Amino acid sequence: GQQVMQIPQYQHVQEGEDFTTYCNSSTTLSNIQWYKQRPGGHPVFLIQLVKSGEVKKQKRLTFQFGEAKKNSSLHITATQTTDVGTYFCAGHAGKSTFGDGTTLTVKP
Amino acid sequence: DAGVIQSPRHEVTEMGQEVTLRCKPISGHNSLFWYRQTMMRGLELLIYFNNNVPIDDSGMPEDRFSAKMPNASFSTLKIQPSEPRDSAVYFCASSLMFDRGRTDTQYFGPGTRLTVL
Repeated sequence: GQQVMQIPQYQHVQEGEDFTTYCNSSTTLSNIQWYKQRPGGHPVFLIQLVKSGEVKKQKRLTFQFGEAKKNSSLHITATQTTDVGTYFCAGHAGKSTFGDGTTLTVKP
Repeated sequence: DAGVIQSPRHEVTEMGQEVTLRCKPISGHNSLFWYRQTMMRGLELLIYFNNNVPIDDSGMPEDRFSAKMPNASFSTLKIQPSEPRDSAVYFCASSLMFDRGRTDTQYFGPGTRLTVL
């Protein structure tokens, strides 16, 4: 069945450093979504990528969808303490499969 | 908009008891999802409905779990009998549109934290 792998599992950074999480699917995706879950909270939608090679930006966040539509990345520039949480990708290929998430901690 | 509503927010029960979790999706959404989240297994899709019809229940762990959606504004997830390994946070999410070809944003509820002693 469809598998979505996400790395790294954990990332600890100093405030101001950059952060990247990667998502890889075993199958070609029709689209991919990214969610953020704060500690004790619920996943909140960030963005959806649909087109091959698509790049979208939200302030300090940059999202990319690979040319083959099997991988994606989320990059945060100059992390802030408000960025802490777990970032999930969810790949859709007939059904949505969530990655295991990358938990980001930011040291002030 | 009140968002997705789940109840109860916390549930503590003893092994063997029946547990019923409830969800009210966002009005107008036609797809509803039940997820389970644990540290060990992450976020797992249990079942999803499209227009009140169960489409994929392959994630339901075993026969002790059942889900219903009697109408567009209400769904339940039942565990009978409950076991300690069922302890987790159960999320309900709804979406405006979901089919094999495309997806829309999934809006998650606050979750129900279930503890089975």
